[in-house]
Amino acid sequence: NAGVMQNPRHLVRRRGQEARLRCSPMKGHSHVYWYRQLPEEGLKFMVYLQKENIIDESGMPKERFSAEFPKEGPSILRIQQVVRGDSAAYFCASSPLRQETQYFGPGTRLLVL
Amino acid sequence: KNEVEQSPQNLTAQEGEFITINCSYSVGISALHWLQQHPGGGIVSLFMLSSGKKKHGRLIATINIQEKHSSLHITASHPRDSAVYICAVSSNFGNEKLTFGTGTRLTIIP
Repeated sequence: NAGVMQNPRHLVRRRGQEARLRCSPMKGHSHVYWYRQLPEEGLKFMVYLQKENIIDESGMPKERFSAEFPKEGPSILRIQQVVRGDSAAYFCASSPLRQETQYFGPGTRLLVL
Repeated sequence: KNEVEQSPQNLTAQEGEFITINCSYSVGISALHWLQQHPGGGIVSLFMLSSGKKKHGRLIATINIQEKHSSLHITASHPRDSAVYICAVSSNFGNEKLTFGTGTRLTIIP
């Protein structure tokens, strides 16, 4: 059973471009979480999704950021018009059910020039 | 004040020493998680616990719900244990999002 997969592992964007980060949860997992780790800072919750539904997006900036987890395919975290402050590691985690261990992907390191 | 506090922030020890990392939290929780972040950045879930004690190999995690405190112990520490150890809690309001401590950077010297 493959682990949580994220791609790309590294992404470089110029200010104003769009960044699309993908997360494929472990097989059988229907709960996906996105977390962000800014340089030299701790992890922070962004958004919690269950298949086709956003359960909690309280940690996600209101503008420029969006997330989806369609019925088919990976979860996508989309950042429009990136700014330098978006440079961070973005981690996805998945779990089979609520109140279960979350398994983390390797992260996507976004660098905005 | 952060909802999840860890101590110490940094810890350096000799190989073989017994290691303790502490975590205190101030909110109601459904579970507490201990995570390990490798120097390369990858994150591994070590324990998820809501009461008592769990053991896996040389790692032991305990939690005291009344005192809102958890400890992670490493016995017979080894240089490969060098990593950042992160405590996180999931709230008891039906949402499993994690709130993280700032981590403890552990370095084990051969």
